[in-house]
Amino acid sequence: GQQLNQSPQSMFIQEGEDVSMNCTSSSIFNTWLWYKQDPGEGPVLLIALYKAGELTSNGRLTAQFGITRKDSFLNISASIPSDVGIYFCAGPRGGGSEKLVFGKGTKLTVNP
Amino acid sequence: SAVISQKPSRDICQRGTSLTIQCQVDSQVTMMFWYRQQPGQSLTLIATANQGSEATYESGFVIDKFPISRPNLTFSTLTVSNMSPEDSSIYLCSVEGTGSNYGYTFGSGTRLTVV
Repeated sequence: GQQLNQSPQSMFIQEGEDVSMNCTSSSIFNTWLWYKQDPGEGPVLLIALYKAGELTSNGRLTAQFGITRKDSFLNISASIPSDVGIYFCAGPRGGGSEKLVFGKGTKLTVNP
Repeated sequence: SAVISQKPSRDICQRGTSLTIQCQVDSQVTMMFWYRQQPGQSLTLIATANQGSEATYESGFVIDKFPISRPNLTFSTLTVSNMSPEDSSIYLCSVEGTGSNYGYTFGSGTRLTVV
């Protein structure tokens, strides 16, 4: 089945720094989703991407849908302590399926 | 987007017992999804629950272990049966986005510890 390879696995940064993480697949995805999970909470959707080449922002977050449809990245600018959490990429399995497949997540730690 | 209330938020259970997790949505939805998130891991789909029909289970998950009810379009339960320590995980319900929006919404999760 389709798999999402997410990197890096973890990041330790200083407050104010910019962050970049990415997700790749050997299969084509028609939608890319980026979620954030805070400790003790369920994942919350940050950005949804629906077209190859699409670049979408949500505040300090920017995500792009790769031209090949096999990758996506998420950037966070000027990080703040509340950016701490686990970031997951996800996408529908394809073939008409409504089910999502998730990457393994990037754990972000922001040092004040 | 839909608002999901999931309970309990956490529980500590004895091995061999069962726990039923409830998921209530503030709007009618066709499909509801149940996920497991093992410690430090990503989300794995357990099953899809449609109202009026039996749930569809993913490979590695069976109805006897994870029975699911879906009595109406706003509610579902997942039972973790005959629990063992390996069942210690976060269990999450999720509902589909609307229209062409795949931005699925998640409940806050149930953190289960089996001792």
